[in-house]
Amino acid sequence: QKEVEQDPGPLSVPEGAIVSLNCTYSNSAFQYFMWYRQYSRKGPELLMYTYSSGNKEDGRFTAQVDKSSKYISLFIRDSQPSDSATYLCAMSDNAGNMLTFGGGTRLMVKP
Amino acid sequence: EAGVAQSPRYKIIEKRQSVAFWCNPISGHATLYWYQQILGQGPKLLIQFQNNGVVDDSQLPKDRFSAERLKGVDSTLKIQPAKLEDSAVYLCASRRTSGWYEQYFGPGTRLTVT
Repeated sequence: QKEVEQDPGPLSVPEGAIVSLNCTYSNSAFQYFMWYRQYSRKGPELLMYTYSSGNKEDGRFTAQVDKSSKYISLFIRDSQPSDSATYLCAMSDNAGNMLTFGGGTRLMVKP
Repeated sequence: EAGVAQSPRYKIIEKRQSVAFWCNPISGHATLYWYQQILGQGPKLLIQFQNNGVVDDSQLPKDRFSAERLKGVDSTLKIQPAKLEDSAVYLCASRRTSGWYEQYFGPGTRLTVT
């Protein structure tokens, strides 16, 4: 069993839809939870990070962490074609160091 | 601020050949990482440096992979001899050292071993 599980997709939605991306994990020591976006042939770029449990909102993006269920989510409101990318969850027990990534979910937003 | 630079961007070699990748981190970032990202998977950490010292190399296949970071700035990752399963994107990332700081990734080097 992988330490971090993520549905690979692809997930195809129409423009304007609400997108829900999720990861589950097994290591209860993880304290920092991140979402990275990776466009084709580019390196990952950080979208959001959350420390411990709770919600965090940044524009159209909301990150949720439920440590009791070992489950994290990223919601994208009013999705745009420019959101089409692979979304990677990542986790760490040490302030953004030593990241463990999920396998990524490929998202396609159709105009 | 300039980002993480990597070269070459693409490399095609035959199995059993050797190859080297170069990374220049963001100025002032003491911590540097090399990741391997196989197609359809998330990045997997190979090695972490802090300045010019190795912090963690537990997932580096040391029989064929080596890495160095001389003078605590640029780093090189070498594979010798390459195997077919080494085909992947090799990503370099850097971050400041203490507290919460995000990792900044370079564009990666796409290696194809034939």
